[in-house]
Amino acid sequence: SQQGEEDPQALSIQEGENATMNCSYKTSINNLQWYRQNSGRGLVHLILIRSNEREKHSGRLRVTLDTSKKSSSLLITASRAADTASYFCATVGGGSYIPTFGRGTSLIVHP
Amino acid sequence: KAGVTQTPRYLIKTRGQQVTLSCSPISGHRSVSWYQQTPGQGLQFLFEYFSETQRNKGNFPGRFSGRQFSNSRSEMNVSTLELGDSALYLCASSLVGTGDSPLHFGNGTRLTVT
Repeated sequence: SQQGEEDPQALSIQEGENATMNCSYKTSINNLQWYRQNSGRGLVHLILIRSNEREKHSGRLRVTLDTSKKSSSLLITASRAADTASYFCATVGGGSYIPTFGRGTSLIVHP
Repeated sequence: KAGVTQTPRYLIKTRGQQVTLSCSPISGHRSVSWYQQTPGQGLQFLFEYFSETQRNKGNFPGRFSGRQFSNSRSEMNVSTLELGDSALYLCASSLVGTGDSPLHFGNGTRLTVT
């Protein structure tokens, strides 16, 4: 399975701090995607990073990809209470174009 | 542009019944995927439809089925419901579903089986 595994499972920080979540996977990928899910809602796409890319930015989000270590990280800078959500990585590759999701990291940002 | 719309938002059914969930993708999106989300198993892929054809299927029993109409709207059906089918069912659409563009999710249908 291409399933990514996020680490940590849960993260609790204060507003203004940075939050870092990691995703590890087992086999080669074409791309890796990060999504956010607010409680009881659908997932929202954040960033897609391709296997030949090392870093991407979007606003306060920074994603890195290390294909040699089969891992990715999502950094949220200057976090806000509104960033409280679950964050999932999804991998695409291994002959399949269906994104396979990890279990997610639950982030709580305290005001 | 309207997002992905799933109906109904909530459903309560009894074991043994059957249920149909509906998904309207973003206009112009031809690929529709369905996922089941539970606390224990996380997000698991059910199936993907493109141009009215099922292109991919996850590892679920035959009680789970789906279809896609010519306007790209999709339905999924679960027959002979079991307690373990209680979950959030998420539909996602993408332009052509090749994996190199993001999925756009609806807010899901929360199914409770009693």
